[in-house]
Parts: sequence; structure tokens; C-alpha cells
Amino acid sequence: KAGVTQTPRYLIKTRGQQVTLSCSPISGHRSVSWYQQTPGQGLQFLFEYFSETQRNKGNFPGRFSGRQFSNSRSEMNVSTLELGDSALYLCASSPQNLPNEKLFFGSGTQLSVL
Amino acid sequence: AQTVTQSQPEMSVQEAETVTLSCTYDTSESDYYLFWYKQPPSRQMILVIRQEAYKQQNATENRFSVNFQKAAKSFSLKISDSQLGDAAMYFCAYRRGGSNYKLTFGKGTLLTVNP
Repeated sequence: KAGVTQTPRYLIKTRGQQVTLSCSPISGHRSVSWYQQTPGQGLQFLFEYFSETQRNKGNFPGRFSGRQFSNSRSEMNVSTLELGDSALYLCASSPQNLPNEKLFFGSGTQLSVL
Repeated sequence: AQTVTQSQPEMSVQEAETVTLSCTYDTSESDYYLFWYKQPPSRQMILVIRQEAYKQQNATENRFSVNFQKAAKSFSLKISDSQLGDAAMYFCAYRRGGSNYKLTFGKGTLLTVNP
């Protein structure tokens, strides 16, 4: 079974631009979660989708948005990029995201904002 | 709000020795789950071990075991017979039961394994 695939692996953007990151979950997994990882703030929850519905959202500004398609693939979008958005963005999938379920993570997209 | 604290930014251990990584958490919930995830240089987070708060017995997974002290809100990870492949960043994580869907992570402990 293929793992969680995130594309692209690396991305360089300039301030003010927008960016879209993609995540393909493990086949059969209907839940996709997104996390932002920075040296200063650590890992922070962005949002979670299940069957195309956002079920939970973290404390991030409205510039951060996401969606999930009928095949469970998910995208997250950041508009009007700021320097502080430079981070590793991790996607995780699981069958239903039940409390004791194991999350399967991708290798992330490293975003650099110049 | 729930918080997870890992007080050891870095730890080192000799190959084949035992090391314990510390984690404390703060919550007013009674239904929750605790996890240890490992992040090697490949950046992919991998689940090491998990513990349900309602279970008194400490979880074990091969060389990995936890010491779960619910009253003290402590959840430490013990790695026995350390191997070079254990070198990684280790994150302690908390998840509330029910329909919450998010993990709250500690800041991590960087583990170095010396040959």
C-alpha cells in the first residue's frame, strides 16, 4: 500500500504570493489532517477533513484554507504569504481519525517564503 | 487548553543502553489518549507507542515502553537496547477523546545514539 504522498517536497515563494499544497492519503483513509511545523512554535494543528467536510480547525488566520475531494485527496492553500509562513507542512491520514487511531504522516512540504 | 511539555530538548545515549524521555501534560479531561511519535531526518512522523488514559497498564511495543502516571500527568518513554536507528526527534502528543480530531504536540526531544 502506498503511503501518504505530499507534493511538492520543497517550495519557494515570495511574500504576497499564494501557494497550494497537495496531500494524497493512504487508499481507504477518509480523514486528512494538516499540521504546521516550525522551530519556534513546534507542531500546530491546522485543520482536519473527513469525507469532504472540515470537522475541526486550529487557530490560524483565514489566509489558511483547505479542502478535500471525493477521492479523499486534500489541498491546503495559503494566500498572501508572510515570512512567518515558512514552515514544514505535514499531512496525516487515517481511516476515520478515531481517538486511538494511528495517524500516518507524509514527509511534508517545506515552504520557504522570501 | 491542553498543553504538553517535554523538558529535555536534547538527550544522548550509548548504543545498547537504556534512555528515558520525559513528558508531562495538562488537562482537565478524563477521556484522552497519549502518543509518542518519532521524526527521523526523513521528516516523516512515525507512531512509536500509544496509551489510553483509562488503561492502568503501561503500553509496551518491543523495546519501547511507557511509564504512565495519570495522577502526576506524566507520560515518559523508555527505549531499551538503544540502536543507531533510534536517533530522531521524539514528540509526545495528547488527544482528547470524542470528536476533537487534533493532536497537541510537545516541542520534542532530539535523541542522539552514540556508537
